[in-house]
Amino acid sequence: QQQVKQSPQSLIVQKGGISIINCAYENTAFDYFPWYQQFPGKGPALLIAIRPDVSEKKEGRFTISFNKSAKQFSLHIMDSQPGDSATYFCAASMYQLSGAQKLVFGQGTRLTINP
Amino acid sequence: GAGVSQSPRYKVAKRGQDVALRCDPISGHVSLFWYQQALGQGPEFLTYFQNEAQLDKSGLPSDRFFAERPEGSVSTLKIQRTQQEDSAVYLCASSHRAQGEQFFGPGTRLTVL
Repeated sequence: QQQVKQSPQSLIVQKGGISIINCAYENTAFDYFPWYQQFPGKGPALLIAIRPDVSEKKEGRFTISFNKSAKQFSLHIMDSQPGDSATYFCAASMYQLSGAQKLVFGQGTRLTINP
Repeated sequence: GAGVSQSPRYKVAKRGQDVALRCDPISGHVSLFWYQQALGQGPEFLTYFQNEAQLDKSGLPSDRFFAERPEGSVSTLKIQRTQQEDSAVYLCASSHRAQGEQFFGPGTRLTVL
């Protein structure tokens, strides 16, 4: 119930194309869904996040689509650039008694943008 | 401004040795998290501090793992009697408040031989 399943494991997209990464969750108590970008040798960095009261959020070239009934959410990267080549993680969290935002991460998607 | 820093960046230990990993959070951040990231996997939660109080240690895999943050700033993750399965990247994250954005450090890559 705590798992977040992410696909695909790896993705190759041509420059200018659309990159799409999908995640699914089971626990309906999750109420916060962020996406993180990680470059080799660096820690994850927050890219964009959504709460389940909206179905879509867009920030620049990055869009999250959220389907509450299907318990799925996805990241779309428009006009993909070589600099977007990185590993992307979806995550989910829910209210904890401790007050902490305890993130549950997906397995990651290694994205490569070919020039 | 300075982000989250971790030291050492790389640590090689022989099986059975004790190790200590340090995290310097962003100044003023009251919340601090430790995560373990195995090769090719997403980070997994280990423990959480609010100031100096360890409020959640549900993710620590065994009693060989111990974390502290005595003055509510710098934190240390200690692993006693290291085992090969402890080999991973250990990430520290801090946030201004419990529900705020978590800023991650670069991690410490631990290799146990």
